[in-house]
Amino acid sequence: EAEVAQSPRYKITEKSQAVAFWCDPISGHATLYWYRQILGQGPELLVQFQDESVVDDSQLPKDRFSAERLKGVDSTLKIQPAELGDSAMYLCASSSGRDPAQETQYFGPGTRLLVL
Amino acid sequence: AQSVAQPEDQVNVAEGNPLTVKCTYSVSGNPYLFWYVQYPNRGLQFLLKYITGDNLVKGSYGFEAEFNKSQTSFHLKKPSALVSDSALYFCAVRDGGGNKLVFGAGTILRVKS
Repeated sequence: EAEVAQSPRYKITEKSQAVAFWCDPISGHATLYWYRQILGQGPELLVQFQDESVVDDSQLPKDRFSAERLKGVDSTLKIQPAELGDSAMYLCASSSGRDPAQETQYFGPGTRLLVL
Repeated sequence: AQSVAQPEDQVNVAEGNPLTVKCTYSVSGNPYLFWYVQYPNRGLQFLLKYITGDNLVKGSYGFEAEFNKSQTSFHLKKPSALVSDSALYFCAVRDGGGNKLVFGAGTILRVKS
């Protein structure tokens, strides 16, 4: 069964450092999502891509976060500089893109970030 | 804007007994409703969804959910709980206008043998 791949699985960094997370969606999925999940809460959307274009980045803290999906396949989420409050699980999800409102999003295993 | 409430932080049930995890929602227009499960240090796994049609939706691992439009609820159920069902469960809603999927805060399910 096809899965969403993410790396690294765990990341420990010091505040003010730069970190990057990678996501490879299910093959053929046009829509890719990055979520942040703070401990004890549900995931919150950071950014949504349709192919290589950003569809929604309204909740992305653009002063320190950036995301790209240059060839419309895999994606990178970057934080620079990292702050203590960025400690969370970062989840990537993908869906086919044919009908984003109805279709199921499939999630990767996540990257757990700890900022010291 | 759409929203989801999961009124119980934790649900405890004995193995073999039926379980219910509650979810209520608020959305303008027709709702698209989803249930996901999360095991420790893992991503979310899809269980089931309601888009349209039959109010009783059957999903993975013996779970089902009932859509109730008048009560704006989408409770997750299983006739006989297993210890392996112990996990964190999330309800999520999206409207037909292309707005983002919004998740509840989650409910911890503990099944004791």
